[in-house]
Amino acid sequence: QVQLQQSGPGLVKPSQTLSLTCAISGDSVSSNSVTWNWIRQSPSRGLEWLGRTYYRSKWYSDYAVSVRGRITINPDTSMNHFSLQLNSVTPEDTAVYFCARVPEVLDDAFDIWGQGTRVTVSS
Amino acid sequence: DIQMTQSPSSLSASVGDRVTITCRASQSISNYLSWYQQKPGKAPKLLIYGASSLQSGVPSRFSGSGSGTDFTLIISSVQPEDFATYYCQQSYSTPEGTFGPGTKVDIK
Repeated sequence: QVQLQQSGPGLVKPSQTLSLTCAISGDSVSSNSVTWNWIRQSPSRGLEWLGRTYYRSKWYSDYAVSVRGRITINPDTSMNHFSLQLNSVTPEDTAVYFCARVPEVLDDAFDIWGQGTRVTVSS
Repeated sequence: DIQMTQSPSSLSASVGDRVTITCRASQSISNYLSWYQQKPGKAPKLLIYGASSLQSGVPSRFSGSGSGTDFTLIISSVQPEDFATYYCQQSYSTPEGTFGPGTKVDIK
């Protein structure tokens, strides 16, 4: 049974870096048949895909246009997890952040989700 | 960008009612459409993928249909545990798939 467990702070100051981790159990971050994603949800923006990382003989990352230049998603094979870093945050980055898995066999649907982390950007 | 709309934005239903939710894409997305259920304080849960394929473990009272730009989620006989918000999501423009704004189903 695949599970994703998120960790990270719930409060970040403006202009600082938001950092979250998603620990994977029951699957491997290095699997070549899935992608590992970050999504956020806020009342103003709804559900918004932020980016992903995946392994296909080498590592790849893709990012949403809305956050490109501020975001990094990295895998950690030794810990079997992946992380999100979002730089230069503003109050508009206040949201609930989710990690999620996409298996190739499900037409790019998100089948497993982390529990969510509510992040507030405030001084 | 592909925009997703849903209707209605909310509805009230009684246990046992048939519930229909519609999702429309701003351009053709073939059958790259998923449906999710979200309860307060929880992550979304995948119900349907590929427009009409039922995710493992999801009750058969949920069904999806459609292709191109117009899609439908039907709950054939709504149960107390089905009161939640439902989202559609297109994965045609992977990786930047977009979600609909949601339809809240509550108890009449």
